Order: sequence, then structure tokens, then C-alpha cells
Amino acid sequence: DQQVKQNSPSLSVQEGRISILNCDYTNSMFDYFLWYKKYPAEGPTFLISISSIKDKNEDGRFTVFLNKSAKHLSLHIVPSQPGDSAVYFCAATLIQGAQKLVFGQGTRLTINP
Amino acid sequence: DAMVIQNPRYQVTQFGKPVTLSCSQTLNHNVMYWYQQKSSQAPKLLFHYYDKDFNNEADTPDNFQSRRPNTSFCFLDIRSPGLGDAAMYLCATSRQGTYEQYFGPGTRLTVT
Repeated sequence: DQQVKQNSPSLSVQEGRISILNCDYTNSMFDYFLWYKKYPAEGPTFLISISSIKDKNEDGRFTVFLNKSAKHLSLHIVPSQPGDSAVYFCAATLIQGAQKLVFGQGTRLTINP
Repeated sequence: DAMVIQNPRYQVTQFGKPVTLSCSQTLNHNVMYWYQQKSSQAPKLLFHYYDKDFNNEADTPDNFQSRRPNTSFCFLDIRSPGLGDAAMYLCATSRQGTYEQYFGPGTRLTVT
């Protein structure tokens, strides 16, 4: 039973355009969400997070949107740059829980020149 | 630079031959995690430590054990590796009370 799902295994976007990565979750108890970025031969690195009390969080070119009623979050990257090519994982957790993350299976983003 | 280090980066072992993967951290975080990630799948939590307090996931096979002799080091022992245990093993750390985890580069385990 996969509680966090990223239904697009891959996404290809032209440099300078917007990249939108999507994530759905099934457990309505989740109340904190994170996005991680992973380059080949490296571990995932934290990118941005959002608490369920917000519906948007922005950090430079990266914005995460949360739709609690739809149990859906998305990561927007504007403008997309070649260095953004990586695998992106979304993760979810419970603020009052055991400090464990549940990950999606990742989306490989390729930015084309 | 403070970091999470995993050794070795690549490990080849024979079917049934015990293997140990290691993780060390200079972040002085009290929570450490081990994940298993198979190709194109989500990282799956195997177990984690709050300080020396060990927490096993319910579906982690008994074949997997862990040790944390001190704050800086954590080991993953696979007692009798099977072909299905071939995967990337990721170590991560965090400060208690925070949700951001810091990952090492992983150890890719091959079982022959």
C-alpha cells in the first residue's frame, strides 16, 4: 500500500519553461511534506517543505503547492535550468509522529536546452 | 564540511555471505536512519535510532540488523544476503524534532 505516489516516472521540459512535478498521498493524517532532489551517485538533498497549515511555500525558483482536500502537492520550478535535471522525490510525515518520512518513487526531470 | 559518509560506495557479496555497510556523520544528529531503495522505487525505511533507542519497521526482514555504537556511527548488517537484497542502501540523519533528513551518497549492494 503506497501512501505517497508520484505517477509520472519522468518529465521533460525545455530550459526556461516551468517544470511541474506532482505528488499524491492517501493518508489524510500526513501534515508535513518535503521535496528532495537527487543527482546520480549522490544521496537525496532537501529542497523545500510545506506544513499542512499552509497551501503554498516559495523559495527562489521553487514553489510547493498543497491541496489538502485533493491530497495533492506539486513542485513548480520557474524558470527551469539544466542543473535542475535530477530525480525529485516527495515525502510526507506526521508532525506529532515518529519523525519518519514516507517517500514517493520519484520523477526524473530532464531539462532540455 | 559536515556530512554523512557511507562506506563502501559499492559492495559485492555472495549469496548467503554476511555483509556490513557503514555510515558515519559529522552533523552530531541524534537520529539516524537506514533506507533500502530498489531501482525506480521509493526509498523504504528499514529502521531508525533515536540516540541508542532502536526502532524497527514492522516489515523489515529479520535478515537485516543494525548497530549504533556511538552518535557518529551506524552499521547495517545483512546476515544472509539473498538476490532480492541487491539494492541501494541509504543512510540519513536528522536532529530530533525536525523533519529534514540529511542523506549519505548510498552504498550499492550487488549479490552474486
